[in-house]
Amino acid sequence: EVQLVESGGGLVQPGGSLRLSCAASGFTFSDHYMDWVRQAPGKGLEWVGRIKNKANSYTTQYAASVKGRFTISRDDSKNSLYLQMSSLKIEDTAVYYCIRVQLAPHRAFDYWGQGTLVTVSS
Amino acid sequence: EIVLTQSPGTLSLSPGERATLSCRASQSVSSSFLAWYQQKPGQAPRLLIYGASSRATGIPDRFSGSESGTDFTLTISRLEPEDFAVYYCQQYGSSPPYPFGQGTKLEIK
Repeated sequence: EVQLVESGGGLVQPGGSLRLSCAASGFTFSDHYMDWVRQAPGKGLEWVGRIKNKANSYTTQYAASVKGRFTISRDDSKNSLYLQMSSLKIEDTAVYYCIRVQLAPHRAFDYWGQGTLVTVSS
Repeated sequence: EIVLTQSPGTLSLSPGERATLSCRASQSVSSSFLAWYQQKPGQAPRLLIYGASSRATGIPDRFSGSESGTDFTLTISRLEPEDFAVYYCQQYGSSPPYPFGQGTKLEIK
């Protein structure tokens, strides 16, 4: 059974930093691209970023709204995904979901974690 | 950048009825890389449809997807009580970003 379990959310002040983690199990983690998606309270879904697999050089991609402030990384030996967030803004307040991306050719978001809430407030 | 516009914003129907949800893309979606997700309150979204018309693993056959040019449709043939939720479409083409529509809330009439 595929499982994605996020952790690390919490309350942080504007300008602060936070690191989210996602523990994956039930599939060959190293084969898959992994993404982060967020959802502000009462709002829709926003794609945050992606890290590809080793075969694709662990290339990262980011939404314009977080580029330069957020960094995605992975540790295939630990089946773990990370999201390092810095220079946090109030508008970064959201539930952050860890996502498994389907294998090619289709790369829809086929499994989602339960999410972890990040609140940016003074 | 592709913009996805979903309609209606809210759809009020009764169990047993047919639901038709629309998603219009601002430009062509490559290789039908369009997905639909269902989100219930307090839960993470769940993949329903990918490739515009392929059902994801474990999704009942009352859910179907179709496309016509830049217009995509999610149809639920006979609504069950558990189908009332928010539905999002998403374009997941070859290059980012991978935008979502704003969502359609399907509520019980």
